[in-house]
Amino acid sequence: KAGVTQTPRYLIKTRGQQVTLSCSPISGHRSVSWYQQTPGQGLQFLFEYFSETQRNKGNFPGRFSGRQFSNSRSEMNVSTLELGDSALYLCASSPISTSGNTGELFFGEGSRLTVL
Amino acid sequence: GESVGLHLPTLSVQEGDNSIINCAYSNSASDYFIWYKQESGKGPQFIIDIRSNMDKRQGQRVTVLLNKTVKHLSLQIAATQPGDSAVYFCAENMRNFNKFYFGSGTKLNVKP
Repeated sequence: KAGVTQTPRYLIKTRGQQVTLSCSPISGHRSVSWYQQTPGQGLQFLFEYFSETQRNKGNFPGRFSGRQFSNSRSEMNVSTLELGDSALYLCASSPISTSGNTGELFFGEGSRLTVL
Repeated sequence: GESVGLHLPTLSVQEGDNSIINCAYSNSASDYFIWYKQESGKGPQFIIDIRSNMDKRQGQRVTVLLNKTVKHLSLQIAATQPGDSAVYFCAENMRNFNKFYFGSGTKLNVKP
């Protein structure tokens, strides 16, 4: 079974631009979460989607947004990029049960964003 | 918000020795915990998990211990190998909220 796939793996943007990152979860996983990883702040939760609905949201500004499609694939968007947005953005899918009990997260390799 | 922290940022062990990585969590309502391993340039990899109705769980060469009284989690790696060198994170979660809080990580260096 293929793992979580994230594209692009690396990208460089300049301040003020916007970026869209894509994530394909493991087949059958309906929950997709996004995390930001930086050396200073570690792994921080951005948001989680389940059945095309955002169920949980972290403490990030509105410039960070996401969506999930009917095939469970997800995208996240960051608008008006700032230098501090440089980070590794990780997507994780989860085999969450229909009862809602949390399952383990399976992470992709991440998209490394550099903002100049 | 909730915080998950680690006592030691870097741990160096000799190949073949046992390693113990510790983690403190602050949310007494957390009931699901996972240890992840992250190698350079890769995403976090699941190692082992434990739910709050257990205090110990064993995997292949790894054991997780949970002490809810003092809100402490530990990961024990037996016969540590060079391939175990990585950064290890603990993560906590509350049931039915698929939102994990991660610790700051411990770097494990295995010396041959």
